[in-house]
Amino acid sequence: EVQLVESGGGLVQPGGSLRLSCAASGFTFSSYAMSWVRQAPGKGLEWVSAISGSGGSTYYADSVKGRFTISRDNSKNTLYLQMNSLRAEDTAVYYCAKVGSGWYPSPYFDYWGQGTLVTVSS
Amino acid sequence: SSELTQDPAVSVALGQTVRITCQGDSLRSYYASWYQQKPGQAPVLVIYGKNNRPSGIPDRFSGSSSGNTASLTITGAQAEDEADYYCNSRDSSGNQFGGGTKLTVL
Repeated sequence: EVQLVESGGGLVQPGGSLRLSCAASGFTFSSYAMSWVRQAPGKGLEWVSAISGSGGSTYYADSVKGRFTISRDNSKNTLYLQMNSLRAEDTAVYYCAKVGSGWYPSPYFDYWGQGTLVTVSS
Repeated sequence: SSELTQDPAVSVALGQTVRITCQGDSLRSYYASWYQQKPGQAPVLVIYGKNNRPSGIPDRFSGSSSGNTASLTITGAQAEDEADYYCNSRDSSGNQFGGGTKLTVL
């Protein structure tokens, strides 16, 4: 059974940093791209970032480029999202999602974690 | 960057058929995938690729595409289908979701 468990969310001040983790199990982690998707309170889904199975290729939404860094440790079956220079508009539930296919040509997200809440506020 | 446009809300009578649409230039080049989200829960993939359903998704869910429009059709909508539905596709810079459609089953 595929399981994705996020952790690391919490309250942080504007300008601060936070690192999210996603522990994966039930599949060969290194064989699949992974992604982060967020959802602000009462709003829709927003794709944030993705990383290839090897970790050699990364992709970011314009809204987080230069502030967030996605990475993975395939020896630990864990995905990360380092978030720096956080803003109020980054407040959201952050979901970790497994990519069901390669990132090209048409990726889809076949398994999702339950999410971790990040609140950016003073 | 391009956008994916969905109707904010759609309603359907119990047992009837409903189509939820998603428009965007990227859909001319890439397949859409569709996600169902119920309140307080994580999204669930319901359709991907040309018209593929993950294991466990009822066959009343189907997908299609024409030009710049992708569609999710629910044939014989059930009360448990009431949820938010999001389309998703790649775009030139990465990936994007539509704004979501709230489906009400009457």
